[in-house]
Amino acid sequence: KAGVTQTPRYLIKTRGQQVTLSCSPISGHRSVSWYQQTPGQGLQFLFEYFSETQRNKGNFPGRFSGRQFSNSRSEMNVSTLELGDSALYLCASSYRGPTPSGNTIYFGEGSWLTVV
Amino acid sequence: QQQVKQSPQSLIVQKGGISIINCAYENTAFDYFPWYQQFPGKGPALLIAIRPDVSEKKEGRFTISFNKSAKQFSLHIMDSQPGDSATYFCAAAIPGAGSYQLTFGKGTKLSVIP
Repeated sequence: KAGVTQTPRYLIKTRGQQVTLSCSPISGHRSVSWYQQTPGQGLQFLFEYFSETQRNKGNFPGRFSGRQFSNSRSEMNVSTLELGDSALYLCASSYRGPTPSGNTIYFGEGSWLTVV
Repeated sequence: QQQVKQSPQSLIVQKGGISIINCAYENTAFDYFPWYQQFPGKGPALLIAIRPDVSEKKEGRFTISFNKSAKQFSLHIMDSQPGDSATYFCAAAIPGAGSYQLTFGKGTKLSVIP
C-alpha cells in the first residue's frame, strides 16, 4: 500500500512569488492535514481537509490556503512568499473513521521549500 | 502558548542503554498521544500511541508510560541502538472533537553511541 506522496520534494522560490504543493493521501484515507516544520517553531498545524471541506485551521496568515479534491488529493498554496516561509511542508493523511485505529495519522516525506 | 512541553532537547545514550523522553501537556481534553520518529530528510513516522485509559503500552523495545493525573507521558527506548538515532516528537490530539489536529512537542534529538 503506497504511503502519503508529496510533490515536489524540493523547490526554490523568490520572495513575492507563490507556490503550490501537492499531496496524495494513502488510498482510502479521507482526511488530509498540512503541517509546517521549521527548526525554530517545530511542527505546526496549518489546516485539515475532509470531504473537500476545511475542518480546522491553524494560526497562519491568509496567505496560506489549501483545498481538497473529490479523490481526497490535496493542494496547499502559499502566496506572496516571505523568507520566513522557508520550511519543510508535511502532508498527513488519516482515514478519520469512528474507531481509534481510524485516527492514526501518517505523514509524507514533505516538500522542502526555500525562499530566496 | 505551547501546549505540549517535551524534554530533553537532546539526549546521548550508550548503545544498550535506556533512552527516556518526557512530555507534559496542559489541555485535559487531549485524548490521543502518539510518538513520532523522524530521520533526517524524512517525514515523521508513527512509532507508538496511547490513550489515557491505559497507563502503559509496550511495542517491542518502545514503551509509553502515561500519568493522567500529572498530565505527563514518556517514551522509553530499551536496549537503545545506533539505528534509533533520530529526532523524536511527542504529540497530542483531540480526535473526538472532529478535528485531527496534532499538537507537537519541540522534539528530542537522540544520539545512540556505540
